[in-house]
Amino acid sequence: EVQLVESGGGLVQPGGSLKLSCAASGFTFSGSAIHWVRQASGKGLEWVGRIRTKTYTYATAYAASVKGRFTFSRDDSKNTAYLQMNSLTTEDTAVYYCTKPPLTDGSGSYQFDVWGQGTLVTVSS
Amino acid sequence: QSALTQPASVSGSPGQSITISCIGTSSDVGTYNFVSWYQHHPGEAPKLMIYDAIKRPSGVSNRFSGSRSGNTASLTISGLQAEDEADYYCCSYAGSNIWVFGGGTKLTVL
Repeated sequence: EVQLVESGGGLVQPGGSLKLSCAASGFTFSGSAIHWVRQASGKGLEWVGRIRTKTYTYATAYAASVKGRFTFSRDDSKNTAYLQMNSLTTEDTAVYYCTKPPLTDGSGSYQFDVWGQGTLVTVSS
Repeated sequence: QSALTQPASVSGSPGQSITISCIGTSSDVGTYNFVSWYQHHPGEAPKLMIYDAIKRPSGVSNRFSGSRSGNTASLTISGLQAEDEADYYCCSYAGSNIWVFGGGTKLTVL
């Protein structure tokens, strides 16, 4: 079964840091880009960013709202992607999802066919 | 990059058809055919319903269809069923390795 499982969420104070993980199984993780999407309570989905594969030098892209504060990484040997979040504000409080396109990175798929269940990040003093 | 514009809510009776619009700009929906739609039941993972504006993934009911014209994409659900009640989001590639979602539409089946 193709699966993505997020972990690492929790309560953090404003200005603090947190690192989320996205563990993958059931597909060739090293060949897939991984995207992160978040949803604040009562709000819509917001694209956070993406990390590509080794073939594409692990290129990253970030939404303007998180650029300079969030960093994506991945460990293909562990089939896991990471989201390092720094300088957190209350505006970053949300459920964070990892998701992936259906095709191998670079094959031209722009949609997301598998999603995790999400992990809740709460930024509060 | 601004969020795509969707109606906050739509409703319909069982058996009826509804359409949810997704208004973008010439920088996203108007330029790229890479519009996708997701069904999201609270507490669950979003589910892909339409991709490339008009294509339906295997396993998705043919009651769901998509279209795109100019800067607007649309999702139509025909033969509404109780289980269709959910939040629906459009998403578009916006160039320069950026994606943008719509604000979401809450569908109520009366």
